[in-house]
Amino acid sequence: GAGVSQSPSNKVTEKGKDVELRCDPISGHTALYWYRQSLGQGLEFLIYFQGNSAPDKSGLPSDRFSAERTGGSVSTLTIQRTQQEDSAVYLCASSLAPGQAEKLFFGSGTQLSVL
Amino acid sequence: AQSVTQPDIHITVSEGASLELRCNYSYGATPYLFWYVQSPGQGLQLLLKYFSGDTLVQGIKGFEAEFKRSQSSFNLRKPSVHWSDAAEYFCAVGGPGGSYIPTFGRGTSLIVHP
Repeated sequence: GAGVSQSPSNKVTEKGKDVELRCDPISGHTALYWYRQSLGQGLEFLIYFQGNSAPDKSGLPSDRFSAERTGGSVSTLTIQRTQQEDSAVYLCASSLAPGQAEKLFFGSGTQLSVL
Repeated sequence: AQSVTQPDIHITVSEGASLELRCNYSYGATPYLFWYVQSPGQGLQLLLKYFSGDTLVQGIKGFEAEFKRSQSSFNLRKPSVHWSDAAEYFCAVGGPGGSYIPTFGRGTSLIVHP
């Protein structure tokens, strides 16, 4: 596609429910990043995928968070048993190759609200 | 570990006035430094970047930033602000000496008064 696509753009859920957020990176981009943007907290790194390598999960805040990337393309971020503190904008980004932060393309994000 | 500090949460300027947004970083080697802008409802867009060489870098939309190693700073400037510059601005650091995964600051919200 022309850009990084994220869906849904908005998600409202009840505390305790599971949610799935989707990211479609730019075609051919091997590196994919998930960040979380909380009010006043900036962008917090969550997880990084690069090709077929094991993902860097060092930023995931708890074991309720997981992500997968199928076929080296689409990625899904799953949050289980959501809590109110999970409310944030979840941003996905991709780049053609690793280490190309200057060529990082961001999606518009998914606004998650946990009631 | 690499980190970025943006000390100003909000900055308010009048249209036509000059602007400087502060960014300080912590990094173990020569950093790659970036400024991104996030307009309301939009994704992040790269304004400019520093890798090496000339410490004054020019970006899009009339922005520039200066890398000062002695101060561990990479402040963003614009000589005359337009109302359309109102947005959230993020400084980021990354590179081969640390992590290629960019670390972002918490952002500075720019408010422009007419």
